[in-house]
Amino acid sequence: GDSVTQMEGPVTLSEEAFLTINCTYTATGYPSLFWYVQYPGEGLQLLLKATKADDKGSNKGFEATYRKETTSFHLEKGSVQVSDSAVYFCALSEAGGFKTIFGAGTRLFVKA
Amino acid sequence: DTGVSQNPRHKITKRGQNVTFRCDPISEHNRLYWYRQTLGQGPEFLTYFQNEAQLEKSRLLSDRFSAERPKGSFSTLEIQRTEQGDSAMYLCASSSGTSYQETQYFGPGTRLLVL
Repeated sequence: GDSVTQMEGPVTLSEEAFLTINCTYTATGYPSLFWYVQYPGEGLQLLLKATKADDKGSNKGFEATYRKETTSFHLEKGSVQVSDSAVYFCALSEAGGFKTIFGAGTRLFVKA
Repeated sequence: DTGVSQNPRHKITKRGQNVTFRCDPISEHNRLYWYRQTLGQGPEFLTYFQNEAQLEKSRLLSDRFSAERPKGSFSTLEIQRTEQGDSAMYLCASSSGTSYQETQYFGPGTRLLVL
């Protein structure tokens, strides 16, 4: 079945460092891809999404590009802030269906 | 507040008891989803409604679990004869539209602890 694999955390960075969180997926057809973020004590929020190959999703300085050839959707940010400390989930929505499949999450700590 | 709401936010129960959770979706959304999230894991799909019709159920949803959305608005998730393995965060999400590409909006979750 469809699945999402993302890099294990925690990831600890200093403020203004470059962030990459790797995500790869297995799916039949052409899924939509998402990154969700969960800040401490809050619910899941959509961070960005991409719905077809080579699309780039972006929001709040974060970017991810839908790479069909490598089945990847890596999350990047050029300069992280302490306020970016959260758990980040990569997810896919199956083509033709409505179920969303999540990765296990990657916890990010950003130090001042 | 026009977001997804869930009640209660926390529930502690003894093994063997029944529990019921409620989800109120964003008012114009016709799709509603339930997920379960255990510590250190991503949410796992449980079931999905389009209006009042339950269209898909995960194999995770054993016969002790039942979900309803009687009028196509709020939904309830009931767990009968709770077990310690049911301890988790139960998340509700809603969405509108006709495409699998649509965004799901999540509620804050109900955290269940079974003693």
